[in-house]
Amino acid sequence: QVQLQESGPGLVEPSETLSLTCTVSGGSINNYYWSWIRQPPGKGLEWIGYIYHTGSTNYNPSLKSRVTISVDTSKSQFSLKLSSVIAADTAVYYCARSISWYANFDSWGQGTLVTVSS
Amino acid sequence: EIVLTQSPGTLSLSPGERATLSCRASQSLSSNHLAWYQQKPGQAPRLLIYGASSRATGIPDRFSGSGSGTDFTLTITRLEPEDFAVFYCQQYDSSPPWTFGQGTKVEI
Repeated sequence: QVQLQESGPGLVEPSETLSLTCTVSGGSINNYYWSWIRQPPGKGLEWIGYIYHTGSTNYNPSLKSRVTISVDTSKSQFSLKLSSVIAADTAVYYCARSISWYANFDSWGQGTLVTVSS
Repeated sequence: EIVLTQSPGTLSLSPGERATLSCRASQSLSSNHLAWYQQKPGQAPRLLIYGASSRATGIPDRFSGSGSGTDFTLTITRLEPEDFAVFYCQQYDSSPPWTFGQGTKVEI
């Protein structure tokens, strides 16, 4: 059974870059689509973007100018960078898996809280 | 971008009762690419239903999904104590961005 685990700093200063990594274990990173999804405290879910193991990406237009998602298949990891963060970027960030680019999310990481504050 | 509107915002029920949750899309989902998730406090969402009506692996048959076009429903036939949570619908139809509804809280 595949497992996903997010890692990265829990506190980021305003205007800086948020960086998170998701490590995939118990299954292959190949032939799946890997997404980042976030949830501000007490609020709903927002899809940030996905990457395929080949490096092909698709981002939410609302964040596209600030987001970069990359993959390292040799480490079974994919990463998120969100630049110029503001307080509204404070959220629990989840990584998740899809079997296709047009698919639901069938496996999720436990999530990691990132707070944007000085 | 497709907007999903869930209703009601909160559903107050007792164990053993039937829960009916609604999700309405701002435009027709031509392929019925709609999923439902359950989220408990402090946990990640868990996939319940995909393709509007297919149960995910390990999901009890008291959970069922139905609907097509713009109107979709999640039904829980007999609520168990562990079912009380927030439920989200999500669309993955035609093209990104994939979007979620705002959630329905099912509480005791």
